[in-house]
Amino acid sequence: SQTIHQWPATLVQPVGSPLSLECTVEGTSNPNLYWYRQAAGRGLQLLFYSVGIGQISSEVPQNLSASRPQDRQFILSSKKLLLSDSGFYLCAWSRDSLTGELFFGEGSRLTVL
Amino acid sequence: GDSVTQMEGPVTLSEEAFLTINCTYTATGYPSLFWYVQYPGEGLQLLLKATKADDKGSNKGFEATYRKETTSFHLEKGSVQVSDSAVYFCALGAMDSNYQLIWGAGTKLIIKP
Repeated sequence: SQTIHQWPATLVQPVGSPLSLECTVEGTSNPNLYWYRQAAGRGLQLLFYSVGIGQISSEVPQNLSASRPQDRQFILSSKKLLLSDSGFYLCAWSRDSLTGELFFGEGSRLTVL
Repeated sequence: GDSVTQMEGPVTLSEEAFLTINCTYTATGYPSLFWYVQYPGEGLQLLLKATKADDKGSNKGFEATYRKETTSFHLEKGSVQVSDSAVYFCALGAMDSNYQLIWGAGTKLIIKP
């Protein structure tokens, strides 16, 4: 069966510090990978998605970046965090784009102080 | 462009009450429609889906029917339980948007014993 893990689960970082959130999928190959952000009391915002190694599409220009160094690894990064980067970050995967069925990780709660 | 509109929450009900969470959509093509659920502190998981008009998705006692004539996909459950307390997201996936899911804002459901 397929599983998805993301870490860390909780992170408290000062403004201006770097960020690295990692996501790994097991039990499948060549998944589509996604990073979403969920601000408090609001819906989901798609940040990045990837259909293959090294292929990253950005939906929202900002100080975040994503990388896919391996087929089943997706990393969300920032060089300098802003207060507005606080939120709940969700990694997800799908087998393809056609079904619309996403499988989500447990989420990473980031608080920037 | 395509969009999804959900009723605002929170929705507060007593246990065993009947639940309806409204979802309407705007799409130029023939989208697939989804309900995802997010339990407190967790990622999202697919609750049910429907891929064409008049399809009924069902799972865990929840149902939603794809109504093309009213562009709606309302979520219903006959008798809710405290364990149903969560945030519910309606979403659509359409060819026009390369099947990237378009999300509603989410509806928080609170069930009181």
